[in-house]
Amino acid sequence: QVQLVQSGAEVKEPGASVKVSCKASGYSFSGQFMHWVRHVPGQGLEWMGRITLDNGDTKYAQKFQGRVTMTRAPSITTVYMDLSDLRSDDTAIYYCTRDNYYSIDYWGQGTLVTVSS
Amino acid sequence: DVVMTQSPLSLPVTLGQPASISCRSTQGLVHRDGNTYLTWLHQRPGHSPRRLIYKISNRDSGVPDRFSGSGSGTDFTLKISRVEAEDVGVYYCMQGTHWPWTFGQGTKVEIK
Repeated sequence: QVQLVQSGAEVKEPGASVKVSCKASGYSFSGQFMHWVRHVPGQGLEWMGRITLDNGDTKYAQKFQGRVTMTRAPSITTVYMDLSDLRSDDTAIYYCTRDNYYSIDYWGQGTLVTVSS
Repeated sequence: DVVMTQSPLSLPVTLGQPASISCRSTQGLVHRDGNTYLTWLHQRPGHSPRRLIYKISNRDSGVPDRFSGSGSGTDFTLKISRVEAEDVGVYYCMQGTHWPWTFGQGTKVEIK
């Protein structure tokens, strides 16, 4: 079955960077996309961007342009989301999610990133 | 960006009774390919979201048939015909027609 397993919780200081990984299994990477979505406490869900798993092409939400980088390692069916220049309002649960024809069908378990001095 | 507005934001319901959640978008959600990419998600406390419905009204495998989706254009509805205890949590609508993809604020369903 499809599984998306993410790396563990992180605590970072303001201005630092964080890299979250997501290991996919149970389906083929070929022709697929992966999205990253975050959930800020007390707020709703926010789409951050998408990576094409075949060639690494990316599409980011304007809000995160310049701070987010999404990459993939096809040989180990893993995708990564790197967010730099962290601020306190980046404290959130970050999810990798599988694209399914203009929708999202599977979600990772989430990675809590806490930004605090 | 397309803004998705859900109502109500809080929905106390009685077990066995119906429930309905509205989702409105600031732009029409018909894609140039003719499909409408409106998705409903359910998030139970302490869990990741789970997709219930895609393309307005298509239920995912394993989703009980008490859940149904309807609507068109900018106006969409999720209905639960008879609420069960496991239905508590937050429900989100999401559009995948326009970039960036956007979500509603969420509707919290709880048992009275």
